Amino acid sequence: AQTVTQSQPEMSVQEAETVTLSCTYDTSESDYYLFWYKQPPSRQMILVIRQEAYKQQNATENRFSVNFQKAAKSFSLKISDSQLGDAAMYFCACDEETSGSRLTFGEGTQLTVNP
Amino acid sequence: DAGITQSPRYKITETGRQVTLMCHQTWSHSYMFWYRQDLGHGLRLIYYSAAADITDKGEVPDGYVVSRSKTENFPLTLESATRSQTSVYFCASRQGALGSYTFGSGTRLTVV
Repeated sequence: AQTVTQSQPEMSVQEAETVTLSCTYDTSESDYYLFWYKQPPSRQMILVIRQEAYKQQNATENRFSVNFQKAAKSFSLKISDSQLGDAAMYFCACDEETSGSRLTFGEGTQLTVNP
Repeated sequence: DAGITQSPRYKITETGRQVTLMCHQTWSHSYMFWYRQDLGHGLRLIYYSAAADITDKGEVPDGYVVSRSKTENFPLTLESATRSQTSVYFCASRQGALGSYTFGSGTRLTVV
């Protein structure tokens, strides 16, 4: 069974600075996907970035990038040039393709962006 | 592009009552899911469905019932609501074995 752990319940960053959110996971599968979701106060779950485990290259989406360390089972999210609109709850999630295809989430990290 | 629609957005019910949360998707995605979100737990899977008439339990299924007679609908029923079922409920869908998940806007359920 897969587990996902986010060890930082809260993080804060100054506007325009860079922040890194941590995530570790545990899976016995060799084929899986990792995700970061953003949840603003509106409650909507918004996909930030996705990483396929078989790809060694780290995924990037504009100001968002990941550091995927497969051997260490680590999947951190880096937000560059932080903006006020980045303030939200961020969830790391893992999807094992071969075990029913469903997402397992971490507990979340609440990110505050200070002006 | 309606996507996934959940209703109601807010619901207050009394202990012991039956309540049904609705989920409708417009894409004909094969997979659908119900999650509950509680502080400190992230989102936990209640039930999921791989296709019409196929459902399976997730991590926290006790006290919940689902059905999927049509591909586009996946209602979640609390047969006898308890205060511990006060939560935010999310429906999600996914097409096949590849691709990302799409989430509804959530239903905040309060059981008093």
